[in-house]
Amino acid sequence: DSGVTQTPKHLITATGQRVTLRCSPRSGDLSVYWYQQSLDQGLQFLIHYYNGEERAKGNILERFSAQQFPDLHSELNLSSLELGDSALYFCASGHGFYLEDEQFFGPGTRLTVL
Amino acid sequence: QKEVEQDPGPLSVPEGAIVSLNCTYSNSAFQYFMWYRQYSRKGPELLMYTYSSGNKEDGRFTAQVDKSSKYISLFIRDSQPSDSATYLCAMSAVAQKLVFGQGTRLTINP
Repeated sequence: DSGVTQTPKHLITATGQRVTLRCSPRSGDLSVYWYQQSLDQGLQFLIHYYNGEERAKGNILERFSAQQFPDLHSELNLSSLELGDSALYFCASGHGFYLEDEQFFGPGTRLTVL
Repeated sequence: QKEVEQDPGPLSVPEGAIVSLNCTYSNSAFQYFMWYRQYSRKGPELLMYTYSSGNKEDGRFTAQVDKSSKYISLFIRDSQPSDSATYLCAMSAVAQKLVFGQGTRLTINP
């Protein structure tokens, strides 16, 4: 158990809908990273927050947004969902400030868009 | 061409064997190298984190980095059935995102 929690574990929704994924980092970690894992693309970096501030963006679609709250938990919002958004979404947390610092992954949220 | 290439396997070996997992990369700016283990339907678990060329050992695991050849390896000694998982290499340059390999699916047969 990495100490990172993610809810919900599974999410099934329809095209065009909006969902929110939640992540609580390990105690003491200030960084939260979001990733998408699909069979064809593998693990892809989406976005990084450090202590409430956005630090870096990766391959994140404009339909997706995220934020990190004062208590350091983070939410990833996915809107206007498409079939291709079906994937595993992981958050990771770390103590460091940089993208290349050690990251500890949560158990993931499996999103299915029908 | 992908920045990080990793043979997806599957790789199947008998219990007790030495396992060698490898990744090659094309970006010479990569300086940080990691290995993650991912069990089915679980999140990736950080196994090894290395910065420079050379070897790093942790228990039955040894990570090896050869920057001149742009090649990294993970060796597992005395492999156990509990080592059966997908192994992902990951790497990054300074202040850059992690880039992951596709993962190698490993099975250790009792």
